Amino acid sequence: DQQVKQNSPSLSVQEGRISILNCDYTNSMFDYFLWYKKYPAEGPTFLISISSIKDKNEDGRFTVFLNKSAKHLSLHIVPSQPGDSAVYFCAASEVSGNTPLVFGKGTRLSVIA
Amino acid sequence: NAGVTQTPKFQVLKTGQSMTLQCAQDMNHEYMSWYRQDPGMGLRLIHYSVGAGITDQGEVPNGYNVSRSTTEDFPLRLLSAAPSQTSVYFCASSGLLAELPYEQYFGPGTRLTVT
Repeated sequence: DQQVKQNSPSLSVQEGRISILNCDYTNSMFDYFLWYKKYPAEGPTFLISISSIKDKNEDGRFTVFLNKSAKHLSLHIVPSQPGDSAVYFCAASEVSGNTPLVFGKGTRLSVIA
Repeated sequence: NAGVTQTPKFQVLKTGQSMTLQCAQDMNHEYMSWYRQDPGMGLRLIHYSVGAGITDQGEVPNGYNVSRSTTEDFPLRLLSAAPSQTSVYFCASSGLLAELPYEQYFGPGTRLTVT
């Protein structure tokens, strides 16, 4: 049973427009969520995170929104740039339980110039 | 500060061979973990460790062993390689999971092919 789901395997966006990547989770005990970005032949790198006590966290062009009642989070990238083309992984953890991160399958974002 | 290092970068094994993937970190992190990445499957946790001498199984532990004798090193052993273990393997480390803000640092990966 997949606890973290990224239902869109790929997404294509024009440069300068908004990219919205979605993530759903099933475990109501998850209380910390992260987004990672991965380029080919490299390890994933941390992008942004959000605790369950917040509904929004912003870092430059990247904003993560959390809707706890819907068990849904999204990553917004505005404006999208060609260098944002990568695979994006959503991850979740039950921090209070000291449990490992659970990752989604990833969404491949292509930003077209 | 090298971060998380993994060796080798590439490896080809024959079915039945054994080998050890090396992982080291120089950030004095307590938590270390191994993931495998397969097409369409995302990152799946193999084994993890919350400190020296302590290891636990993740989602896909079969066919792999780990040990954690020091804080810095967390090797992953393939006991008898099988074609199903063809994958890209990532090692990661972080401070304790319960300490926020929490961020896991990943190594560059080892691409393993079993023929």
